[in-house]
Amino acid sequence: DQQVKQNSPSLSVQEGRISILNCDYTNSMFDYFLWYKKYPAEGPTFLISISSIKDKNEDGRFTVFLNKSAKHLSLHIVPSQPGDSAVYFCAASSLTGANNLFFGTGTRLTVIP
Amino acid sequence: SAVISQKPSRDICQRGTSLTIQCQVDSQVTMMFWYRQQPGQSLTLIATANQGSEATYESGFVIDKFPISRPNLTFSTLTVSNMSPEDSSIYLCSVAYSGTGHEKLFFGSGTQLSVL
Repeated sequence: DQQVKQNSPSLSVQEGRISILNCDYTNSMFDYFLWYKKYPAEGPTFLISISSIKDKNEDGRFTVFLNKSAKHLSLHIVPSQPGDSAVYFCAASSLTGANNLFFGTGTRLTVIP
Repeated sequence: SAVISQKPSRDICQRGTSLTIQCQVDSQVTMMFWYRQQPGQSLTLIATANQGSEATYESGFVIDKFPISRPNLTFSTLTVSNMSPEDSSIYLCSVAYSGTGHEKLFFGSGTQLSVL
């Protein structure tokens, strides 16, 4: 059973506009959420995270929003750049320990110049 | 962060054979993991590689199929044994440093395995 879901396999956005990637989860015990970015032929790299005690975390052009009541989080990229084109994975955990991460299936973002 | 070298980067193998994937880290790490990403699926944890002892496998994964070694704090191998086409996946080595609460994972570049 998939506990972390990314229902949009792909997204295309014009350069300079906002990219919004969505993620839903089913386990109410999750208290920490992460986004990873993956380029072709490379491993995923950590992008940004948020604890369940917050509803927003911002790092430069990247902002993650958490809606606990809806069990939903989103990643906003503003402004989008062609170099942002990659696959983005959402991940969640309910316990400390790197072996407790659950990943979504990923969303492929294409930023059109 | 860590620099993780994983090889081979890709391989095409025949059914019934085995492939060993190597993972080398540029610094000593507390935790090393092996993940699998099947086509269209999420990253799934296969096992935690424990230094000097047997790996800890997740539900659905067994040592006979995925033997793992970790002789020291910077190196690990994953073997995919008696391969079938269903084993065609990307296999990823990952590491984490403990003691920081919710650890972030650092990943190798992955091994794209195709089984004919």
